[in-house]
Amino acid sequence: GQQVMQIPQYQHVQEGEDFTTYCNSSTTLSNIQWYKQRPGGHPVFLIQLVKSGEVKKQKRLTFQFGEAKKNSSLHITATQTTDVGTYFCAGGAAGNKLTFGGGTRVLVKP
Amino acid sequence: DVKVTQSSRYLVKRTGEKVFLECVQDMDHENMFWYRQDPGLGLRLIYFSYDVKMKEKGDIPEGYSVSREKKERFSLILESASTNQTSMYLCASSFLGTVGYEQYFGPGTRLTVT
Repeated sequence: GQQVMQIPQYQHVQEGEDFTTYCNSSTTLSNIQWYKQRPGGHPVFLIQLVKSGEVKKQKRLTFQFGEAKKNSSLHITATQTTDVGTYFCAGGAAGNKLTFGGGTRVLVKP
Repeated sequence: DVKVTQSSRYLVKRTGEKVFLECVQDMDHENMFWYRQDPGLGLRLIYFSYDVKMKEKGDIPEGYSVSREKKERFSLILESASTNQTSMYLCASSFLGTVGYEQYFGPGTRLTVT
């Protein structure tokens, strides 16, 4: 079945620095979604990418969908303590089903 | 505001017990999902439903069953709980479409099976 791998599993970032988390699928995706889960909370939708090569920005967050629609990345600039949490990518397939990656847990050092 | 509620935040059950986890959404969503979340494994889909009385197996359906008698309610059933089913269970819902819609998650039920 479809597998979605996400790296790194953990990311320790100094406040103010940038970092990137990567997502790779074993199959071509119809779409990719990103979610953020704060400590003790539940996943909350951030964004969806549908088109090959698509790039979307949300303030300091930049999301990319690969040309082959098999990979994606999330880049955060000038990390803040509010960015703490686990970021999940989720690959979409037929029937609105999502396959989630293992998540990147982000810890910010002030 | 979309609201997805789950019947319990914490649950402790004994091995062999039958366990019911309930989920209710108030946004008239067609799709409903049950996931379990374990450290390092992300969210794994157990079952989903795109309509009343319809259900589809996810990636890890063994040991679980589901019921959707009403559009707003989706129940997860552990027929005979085992210790390896100790986990965080998350329910989600979304609209149905040709391209996926965002999923709205409930607060989760942390189940411990002793």
